[in-house]
Amino acid sequence: DAKTTQPPSMDCAEGRAANLPCNHSTISGNEYVYWYRQIHSQGPQYIIHGLKNNETNEMASLIITEDRKSSTLILPHATLRDTAVYYCIVRPRGPSGSARQLTFGSGTQLTVLP
Amino acid sequence: NAGVMQNPRHLVRRRGQEARLRCSPMKGHSHVYWYRQLPEEGLKFMVYLQKENIIDESGMPKERFSAEFPKEGPSILRIQQVVRGDSAAYFCASSPTQGTDTQYFGPGTRLTVL
Repeated sequence: DAKTTQPPSMDCAEGRAANLPCNHSTISGNEYVYWYRQIHSQGPQYIIHGLKNNETNEMASLIITEDRKSSTLILPHATLRDTAVYYCIVRPRGPSGSARQLTFGSGTQLTVLP
Repeated sequence: NAGVMQNPRHLVRRRGQEARLRCSPMKGHSHVYWYRQLPEEGLKFMVYLQKENIIDESGMPKERFSAEFPKEGPSILRIQQVVRGDSAAYFCASSPTQGTDTQYFGPGTRLTVL
């Protein structure tokens, strides 16, 4: 799987947009970009994923550059409850039955400040 | 639709005892993954199972650890003769039988070995 690079930590003011970058310069054509977050010691929470088009759901937006070498997760109006470690993961979409584990890096510790 | 369920949430064992961790996937999910998070470390993949089959156990320690996902009932992660180094949070994730293979995580079981 392609490796990802994320800043170790970021701060964001409550109510402002949080923009979390991720570099994945070795991503291949069949690999998706997934974002998860882990609040304190809870189980990781799925946020969003995409292949090459920008994606939006009720939680966040995912912007993937045209060359697919980097992406940005956007939380449009960050709240204190968004304080968490955010993981950017590149993962192939394999055929049924193939190994499909998620490889978690160190992630970005996002702290939303009041 | 209930999420991924894990029990117990906390488990205390003495060295040499056995630990059994249970995971019930989301309804409609037949793929189960186990991950381990050691204190102050990231999540590491352990094993991927489908009903009655181990698909990928490349992350499982060679000894004392086993996993199963029977036709009926939850998936079980079994640790025999636990040692202090097994103290960790164990997370289970499940993904749908068809369609997207996005993984959804449970709340985890925190194992403490005394």
